[in-house]
Amino acid sequence: NAGVTQTPKFQVLKTGQSMTLQCAQDMNHNSMYWYRQDPGMGLRLIYYSASEGTTDKGEVPNGYNVSRLNKREFSLRLESAAPSQTSVYFCASSEARAYGYTFGSGTRLTVV
Amino acid sequence: QQPVQSPQAVILREGEDAVINCSSSKALYSVHWYRQKHGEAPVFLMILLKGGEQKGHDKISASFNEKKQQSSLYLTASQLSYSGTYFCGSASNTGKLIFGQGTTLQVKP
Repeated sequence: NAGVTQTPKFQVLKTGQSMTLQCAQDMNHNSMYWYRQDPGMGLRLIYYSASEGTTDKGEVPNGYNVSRLNKREFSLRLESAAPSQTSVYFCASSEARAYGYTFGSGTRLTVV
Repeated sequence: QQPVQSPQAVILREGEDAVINCSSSKALYSVHWYRQKHGEAPVFLMILLKGGEQKGHDKISASFNEKKQQSSLYLTASQLSYSGTYFCGSASNTGKLIFGQGTTLQVKP
């Protein structure tokens, strides 16, 4: 069982460049989430998708866009990367609101 | 609003017990607990639902006081493998999960 797969694992971007972080889950979960974690900090919710076809803003959505492509895939796009977006990005999924989350292994993004 | 965890850090000897607390100012549907080891992803430990239902780890227990919007995680007879950062998360009816700032637990031999 792969669980939640994130690609890429590492990425370095120049300020102003764009990129898309990919996330896919094979557990038939309904809900998917994107979090960022800065050094020594907790996890902050960027966007989430409670079910296929819906997306909603979290705590820190500015500078990001998301697409719930289908039930399996939820991508996060940075249109114009800024150094403040240097972080570790985690994707997670859950069966429903009464269940725990399964996290992917993360994407370490550095914006220079 | 972010839930508040206490203490921020705990150092234990193997076999000792610890309690980590989590407090929210908002009405909650559920409280989640996760453990994260350095350089790894968070791992689900337990969920406590409004109404008393719990799902999670066999060797870890937790409580949820709905009136006070507070939860506590109880780690008994700690092992070296319990070391890591523990996060609580508070979830609304929409399923939006907001995490606390974390509690670092170090278990020494």
